[in-house]
Amino acid sequence: QLHLQESGPGLVKPSETLSLTCTVSGGSISSDNQYWGWIRQPPGKGLEWIGNIYYTGSTYYNPTLKSRVTISVDTSRNQFSLELRSVTAPDTALYYCARAYLRRFDRWGQGTLVTVSS
Amino acid sequence: QSALTQPASVSGSPGQSITISCTGTSSDIGAFDSVSWYQQHPDKAPKVMIYDVSHRPSGVSNRFSASKSGNTASLTISGLQAEDEADYYCSSYTTSSTHVFGTGTKVTVL
Repeated sequence: QLHLQESGPGLVKPSETLSLTCTVSGGSISSDNQYWGWIRQPPGKGLEWIGNIYYTGSTYYNPTLKSRVTISVDTSRNQFSLELRSVTAPDTALYYCARAYLRRFDRWGQGTLVTVSS
Repeated sequence: QSALTQPASVSGSPGQSITISCTGTSSDIGAFDSVSWYQQHPDKAPKVMIYDVSHRPSGVSNRFSASKSGNTASLTISGLQAEDEADYYCSSYTTSSTHVFGTGTKVTVL
């Protein structure tokens, strides 16, 4: 059974970089037709897609975040990562990693709360 | 990109049917049959309930059905049960090879 687990700091200072990693277990991150994505949810608000990556390194980003986001993949560790630069308070959210299989997010991590505060 | 538009809340009594709409544009919902619906209970990760407009994953109750017409998708929950009380989000693939979520709908079982 595929399992995804987010990890990273729960507190980031304003103007710094938010960095999270998603570890995939129970399956290979390099399998065909699987993209790997990041989605966030500010407290009490809705879901926002951040971006996806394919195991080859091809990336797709939300246009509103594109200038601040980098998603990378490490196939040797079965992990993919998120960097969000120059964070401010509105970036405070529950960050989920998920598998996008044939354009639907069918496996999700449990989410990790990241708070932006000094 | 703008979020897909959903009603903020929908309610119904046990046993009734409710429908949630999701309105997008010709660049997302209207462009592909790649609409999915997610159920999210409090403090839980979202769960896919419908994919490719109207397909249910294994294990999802057949009380959940969905369709699409033009730039609007709809999710119907029949025989409403207490366990259906949750937030529901639609999502669509777009012509820019991105994904966009809906604004979310809180379903209340009266």
